[in-house]
Amino acid sequence: NAGVTQTPKFRILKIGQSMTLQCTQDMNHNYMYWYRQDPGMGLKLIYYSVGAGITDKGEVPNGYNVSRSTTEDFPLRLELAAPSQTSVYFCASSYSASGRAYEQYFGPGTRLTVT
Amino acid sequence: TQLLEQSPQFLSIQEGENLTVYCNSSSVFSSLQWYRQEPGEGPVLLVTVVTGGEVKKLKRLTFQFGDARKDSSLHITAAQPGDTGLYLCAGGGVNAGGTSYGKLTFGQGTILTVHP
Repeated sequence: NAGVTQTPKFRILKIGQSMTLQCTQDMNHNYMYWYRQDPGMGLKLIYYSVGAGITDKGEVPNGYNVSRSTTEDFPLRLELAAPSQTSVYFCASSYSASGRAYEQYFGPGTRLTVT
Repeated sequence: TQLLEQSPQFLSIQEGENLTVYCNSSSVFSSLQWYRQEPGEGPVLLVTVVTGGEVKKLKRLTFQFGDARKDSSLHITAAQPGDTGLYLCAGGGVNAGGTSYGKLTFGQGTILTVHP
């Protein structure tokens, strides 16, 4: 049981390039999320999904796209990378533990630098 | 927009000391979770509290959810170097018929350093 896995672990992009951050979970969780973490800023929600084929925007979606074709996979696409997208990206999945609390399980993160 | 304010932002203490981290908001949350994150890794869930006034203990860590479900605290007794890390609180949206979709609002974090 690997939990949530993310690839790559590190990446350097040039301005204007594109890339896809991969995320896979093997816990059969319906809900999945993408966050970015900047120093001193906590975690900001980029996109989330409540199941295969269903995605929605979070707090900071501009410059990103997602898809969810299977329960396991939730890739994040960066189009036309900009320096403002330099950050650490975390994927997470969750289930409803008690009907009111959704405990999230995080991947190890992808550190992205755009220069 | 729901906001969570964590304080202090930085905490540097000696081994054996006690400490408290606070998480405050003007919004009501359905649940409050605390995560711990080590450098180069993702956050790991420590505890979830869902009832106003609830207190949970995890070894030397004590978590409390405010009566009005707007605030929470994390107290560590006799801190050890192994407690060093980033502590994050996260509030779950008020769940009206299951429409929150598990989205969490995170505080900005408290960086704790415990010196031997």
